[in-house]
Amino acid sequence: DVKVTQSSRYLVKRTGEKVFLECVQDMDHENMFWYRQDPGLGLRLIYFSYDVKMKEKGDIPEGYSVSREKKERFSLILESASTNQTSMYLCASSLSAGSLEQYFGPGTRLTVT
Amino acid sequence: GENVEQHPSTLSVQEGDSAVIKCTYSDSASNYFPWYKQELGKRPQLIIDIRSNVGEKKDQRIAVTLNKTAKHFSLHITETQPEDSAVYFCAATPLGSNTGKLIFGQGTTLQVKP
Repeated sequence: DVKVTQSSRYLVKRTGEKVFLECVQDMDHENMFWYRQDPGLGLRLIYFSYDVKMKEKGDIPEGYSVSREKKERFSLILESASTNQTSMYLCASSLSAGSLEQYFGPGTRLTVT
Repeated sequence: GENVEQHPSTLSVQEGDSAVIKCTYSDSASNYFPWYKQELGKRPQLIIDIRSNVGEKKDQRIAVTLNKTAKHFSLHITETQPEDSAVYFCAATPLGSNTGKLIFGQGTTLQVKP
C-alpha cells in the first residue's frame, strides 16, 4: 500500500517567513509533485520532480522553490511567505512515466497572516 | 498551453439518479485520462482511468467515455448514493509528457441528496 505523508496537517506562518513543507513517499516512486488546491481552481501544479535533483516548473511556480535530495523526499519552500499563499498544499507521487496514477498525501493547510 | 476544462462546477442529484461530469482537453496528443474523487477532508484518490486506445471503460456503477475526435471525456455515475458526494477531478496528460505530469480540471462538487 502506497503511503505519501506530509510533515504537517495545519501550519500558521507570518508574512515574510521562510516556510518548508515536506513530503515523503515509501514506494520508490520516481515522480513527485506539489499542487495547491483553492476552491474553484482545482489542483494547480507548482513544481514536479522526475528524478533525484531534477525539477521542473509547473503552472504556478512564482514564489516557490523545491528540493529533492533523496528519492523519497520532496520539499516545497516558500522563500518569503505572503498572504496570497494561504492555501491547501497537496503532495503526490507516481511510480514512473509509464505508470501515471498519482498517489496523494493528506495535504497541509497553510495560513499566512 | 495545455488546458482541461471541466463542467459543471457543482451538481446536485437525487439518490438513485445518474450523474454526468464532462471534461474537454486541448492537446490532441493526450493519451491518458484519469478521474479522481476527493471526499470532504480527505485526499484525492483515483477511481477510474482510460487510455486513448479505448472508447469506454466501466467499473460497477461508474464509467468513463472518451471521444478523441471532439477531445472530450465524461464520467458517468449510475444509481447514485450519498457516499458518492465528493469533489471529482478529471485530468489529462500534456503534450510530450514523459514525466508523469497531469493537467487537472477545476473540479466538480457532486451532492447526492437522500
